[in-house]
Amino acid sequence: EVQLVESGGGVVQPGESLRLSCEVSGFNFGIYDMGWVRQPPGRGLECVSIISGSGVRTHYADSVKGRFIISRDNSKNMVHLHMENLRVEDTATYYCAKVRIPAGKWYFGLWGRGTLVSVSS
Amino acid sequence: DIQMTQSPSTLSAFVGDRVTITCRASQSISSWLAWYQQKPGKAPKLLIYRASNLESGVPSRFSGSGSGTEFTLTIGSLQPDDFATYYCQQYNSYSTFGQGTRVEIK
Repeated sequence: EVQLVESGGGVVQPGESLRLSCEVSGFNFGIYDMGWVRQPPGRGLECVSIISGSGVRTHYADSVKGRFIISRDNSKNMVHLHMENLRVEDTATYYCAKVRIPAGKWYFGLWGRGTLVSVSS
Repeated sequence: DIQMTQSPSTLSAFVGDRVTITCRASQSISSWLAWYQQKPGKAPKLLIYRASNLESGVPSRFSGSGSGTEFTLTIGSLQPDDFATYYCQQYNSYSTFGQGTRVEIK
């Protein structure tokens, strides 16, 4: 079965760090770019970060540049999002998403169920 | 950064209505546009890619059109399962989403 399962969300205080993980199964993970998309409560979607299949190229939204790092372990079928210096405005459900076609443009054909990150003092 | 603007923000319609949602890009994105459907508490689901290509398994009442800066998503005959929020996404330059259009039952 093809699936993406996120973990690592929780409640943290401003300035703290958190690491999200996404475990994938059911497809040839290493040939697909992967992304993290977040959604604040009651609001719209924001593409936070994307990583190439090889892990060599990474891209970030301006809102998280310098604070978030995306990485992947193709031997373990995992993608991670390390988040530092978290802010209240980072509060959101974070979705792991698979780019639709290998080495293709960045639209997402498969999504996980999401993990909730809450930043509050 | 490319900004995506959807209209309307909310749409009220009856089952069986033909519904159109518009998405405008702040600069040309060629046909690099996708549409997603999201229901409460669920992840988004891909409906349309490259402006007009229907994703496998998506009902044919959904269609997309447009290029450049103006795009539309049309639902030919609204069904009870279609009441949801719809997002456009440009992927010409990185990736940005519209703010969403909520389709409600009238």
